[in-house]
Amino acid sequence: GAGVSQSPSNKVTEKGKDVELRCDPISGHTALYWYRQRLGQGLEFLIYFQGNSAPDKSGLPSDRFSAERTGESVSTLTIQRTQQEDSAVYLCASSSPTGGTGELFFGEGSRLTVL
Amino acid sequence: GENVEQHPSTLSVQEGDSAVIKCTYSDSASNYFPWYKQELGKRPQLIIDIRSNVGEKKDQRIAVTLNKTAKHFSLHITETQPEDSAVYFCAVDTGRRALTFGSGTRLQVQP
Repeated sequence: GAGVSQSPSNKVTEKGKDVELRCDPISGHTALYWYRQRLGQGLEFLIYFQGNSAPDKSGLPSDRFSAERTGESVSTLTIQRTQQEDSAVYLCASSSPTGGTGELFFGEGSRLTVL
Repeated sequence: GENVEQHPSTLSVQEGDSAVIKCTYSDSASNYFPWYKQELGKRPQLIIDIRSNVGEKKDQRIAVTLNKTAKHFSLHITETQPEDSAVYFCAVDTGRRALTFGSGTRLQVQP
C-alpha cells in the first residue's frame, strides 16, 4: 500500500474487555514495530517483528499484551482484560532495513480509551 | 537496556531564531541516531539521521551533530518558522533493531 495502515483509528472499550489492533505495513517491508504513546509522552517500545518472528518482545508491559504477524504482512496487537492505564495511542511502524537500521514509517495510530 | 535522555522538554523561540535540542545515550555500541518530528495529532516522521561514522550532517535549515566520545547528539534548527512548531524526538539504535526514543521536546516558534 501507499503507507502503513492501522485500524481501528479510535477504540473506546470498557475495563476488562479484550481489544485487537491491526497494522498493515508498507508492502515489502520486512520489519514491523509496535510503540505505545501515552498522552503528552514519548514513544514506548512494545515489540519488534522481523518477518513473522519476534526477536524482541522485551517491551510488552504484561502478559495481557500479545502480538502476532502473518508472514511479512499484517500484524495484530491484542490486549486482554484492558485496564485504564492501557489508554494510549498505539503506533505501528514498518521499515525495510538494508545493512542496518533504516527509516521507520509510522501509521496514524490507534487511539485506545479504556473507561 | 539503552537509556536516552532528551533536553529540554519544552522550548519556545522567536521566529528566525535558532533552536537546539540535545540527547544523551548510554550504550556505546549505538550506531544510528535519527530525529523524528511529530505535529499535533499526526504521525512521527523522520527529518534527519546520522550514523556513527560521521560527526555532522546538514539538510537545509536542520543539522545534527554527534559526539560519540561524550555519547550525545544534537538537533539544530536555524531560521525557525512557525511550521517548525511540533514535538521532536531523538532516537538511538540499540542494536536490537528497535529504536529507543527520547521523551520528546515540544518546540513552539512564536511569530
